Amino acid sequence: DTAVSQTPKYLVTQMGNDKSIKCEQNLGHDTMYWYKQDSKKFLKIMFSYNNKELIINETVPNRFSPKSPDKAHLNLHINSLELGDSAVYFCASSRNRDSTDTQYFGPGTRLTVL
Amino acid sequence: AQSVSQHNHHVILSEAASLELGCNYSYGGTVNLFWYVQYPGQHLQLLLKYFSGDPLVKGIKGFEAEFIKSKFSFNLRKPSVQWSDTAEYFCAALRGSARQLTFGSGTQLTVLP
Repeated sequence: DTAVSQTPKYLVTQMGNDKSIKCEQNLGHDTMYWYKQDSKKFLKIMFSYNNKELIINETVPNRFSPKSPDKAHLNLHINSLELGDSAVYFCASSRNRDSTDTQYFGPGTRLTVL
Repeated sequence: AQSVSQHNHHVILSEAASLELGCNYSYGGTVNLFWYVQYPGQHLQLLLKYFSGDPLVKGIKGFEAEFIKSKFSFNLRKPSVQWSDTAEYFCAALRGSARQLTFGSGTQLTVLP
């Protein structure tokens, strides 16, 4: 059973397009996250939601919009894709927003913008 | 400035060699520290974590890490590596009341059979 799943695993698209990445967790966790891993493997948090409420919103272009229809899902929509958006995007979840809680990561979505 | 530093970008070892990967953080005060591993083509998995108490933390797969507050370090160690340990290793820190992990840039470990 996959705890944190993401779709699609790979996404190749043209500049200017709009795309979405979906994330689902079946752990019953309240808190979910999106991270971006650049070509140098550096991981940086983008967003965090707790029970469908946005709690962390790092300096990310407003072309990126997270959406949480329920606490088990956190989707990432990206408008007007740019070359620099190419990266691996990881979803994660934790039991709650307690800062000491372990985060469980999904398999990642490799986005390539041509 | 990056607040979690991993100075070794790529480490190559032979099987059975001992491993130590460096991690330094630049926060003062209370800090929680983690090591994650990313095997080729897989997602991040937690190896071990330090919150408080014994500064020597034991994790899965024979890994351990030692929190040295005076050196702002949390180095990862394993006495004898295996080929299957080939992966990318990330150190991460959670500071005080912060609710987000800050990751280091990662260390690629290659173990030669």
